[in-house]
Amino acid sequence: EAGVAQSPRYKIIEKRQSVAFWCNPISGHATLYWYQQILGQGPKLLIQFQNNGVVDDSQLPKDRFSAERLKGVDSTLKIQPAKLEDSAVYLCASSLGASGGETQYFGPGTRLLVL
Amino acid sequence: DQQVKQNSPSLSVQEGRISILNCDYTNSMFDYFLWYKKYPAEGPTFLISISSIKDKNEDGRFTVFLNKSAKHLSLHIVPSQPGDSAVYFCAAKTSYDKVIFGPGTSLSVIP
Repeated sequence: EAGVAQSPRYKIIEKRQSVAFWCNPISGHATLYWYQQILGQGPKLLIQFQNNGVVDDSQLPKDRFSAERLKGVDSTLKIQPAKLEDSAVYLCASSLGASGGETQYFGPGTRLLVL
Repeated sequence: DQQVKQNSPSLSVQEGRISILNCDYTNSMFDYFLWYKKYPAEGPTFLISISSIKDKNEDGRFTVFLNKSAKHLSLHIVPSQPGDSAVYFCAAKTSYDKVIFGPGTSLSVIP
């Protein structure tokens, strides 16, 4: 079974530029998560989708971050404009459902460096 | 506010000995706890979990202990192997909210 795919793996941009990340979850997984992991910290949830609806986006900086999950499968996360503090690894994860205790399967992440 | 704390950023253990990774939490509403393992350049992978109705869960070489009164859990790895060298994240959630991750502990198992 294929795992969670993410691209690109690395991205370097200058501040105020825009960037987009792509995620393809495990086939059949209804729930998709985007996390931000800053160096030395644990992953922090940015947004959670169940199918193509948003379940939780309380920690998404909506003035610059946006995400969509069209057709309930692939998802993109966009940052526009980027700030220096957005340098982090962006992790995508998926789970079969969204009930308590569902195991989340993570992709390899996209490492973003904002100069 | 850091609801899940892992106060040891790193830990070194000799191969074959026991590794004990500790985690403290502040939210008494957490009812489900997880440990994830992360190798460099990879995403975290689920390792083991425990519900708040239990105080111990074992899976092979990995055992998680939960002390609800102390708001403390620990992951024991016995015996430790070089392939266990990774960053370990403690995580917790309530039944209705998102998973909260700790900052991680980097474990090095020395051959």
